[in-house]
Amino acid sequence: AQSVTQLDSQVPVFEEAPVELRCNYSSSVSVYLFWYVQYPNQGLQLLLKYLSGSTLVESINGFEAEFNKSQTSFHLRKPSVHISDTAEYFCAVSDRDSGNTPLVFGKGTRLSVIA
Amino acid sequence: GAGVSQSPSNKVTEKGKDVELRCDPISGHTALYWYRQSLGQGLEFLIYFQGNSAPDKSGLPSDRFSAERTGGSVSTLTIQRTQQEDSAVYLCASSPLWAGYGYTFGSGTRLTVV
Repeated sequence: AQSVTQLDSQVPVFEEAPVELRCNYSSSVSVYLFWYVQYPNQGLQLLLKYLSGSTLVESINGFEAEFNKSQTSFHLRKPSVHISDTAEYFCAVSDRDSGNTPLVFGKGTRLSVIA
Repeated sequence: GAGVSQSPSNKVTEKGKDVELRCDPISGHTALYWYRQSLGQGLEFLIYFQGNSAPDKSGLPSDRFSAERTGGSVSTLTIQRTQQEDSAVYLCASSPLWAGYGYTFGSGTRLTVV
């Protein structure tokens, strides 16, 4: 069964600095990968996803993630963060070849942007 | 509806009581999922419904937990004889056909067992 490791539980970063939130999954089989974001006192929202094709995927608010099959990683990056990016970020994976299996989530990374 | 609706938003119950949590998915979404979110533990999968197929109950933590989905739409998660360790936010999500489309989550039910 798949598992997801988010190596950092908390990441503090100054406003306008770059950030990388790390995500590794356990198996090198074909996968679908997702990042979800939970802003304070709000529900989870889909940020971006990788299904196939280009290994670099982008969100509408400037985040990007790159699928690296050899390293079984899907790290999330942003070149310059804003205060409004303060939130908890969850990485999730689903096996492509196991049928419609539920997403497996990591434990989350709390991003705190400091003014 | 426009989104996934969960009720109640908050529930405080006494240890040993039964509770029912409701989820109304997006109209037309065939897949429905229940997860539990505890502080520092991420999202724990509980149960998954797909159309009229038998549900995947592999994540239910004990036989005190059960869920049903009526008419391929509304789902109810029932916890019998609640324990303090059941305190968490219970999240429902739906998706069209399969997980690759991404989930739409409800706002959750915060359950507190006292």
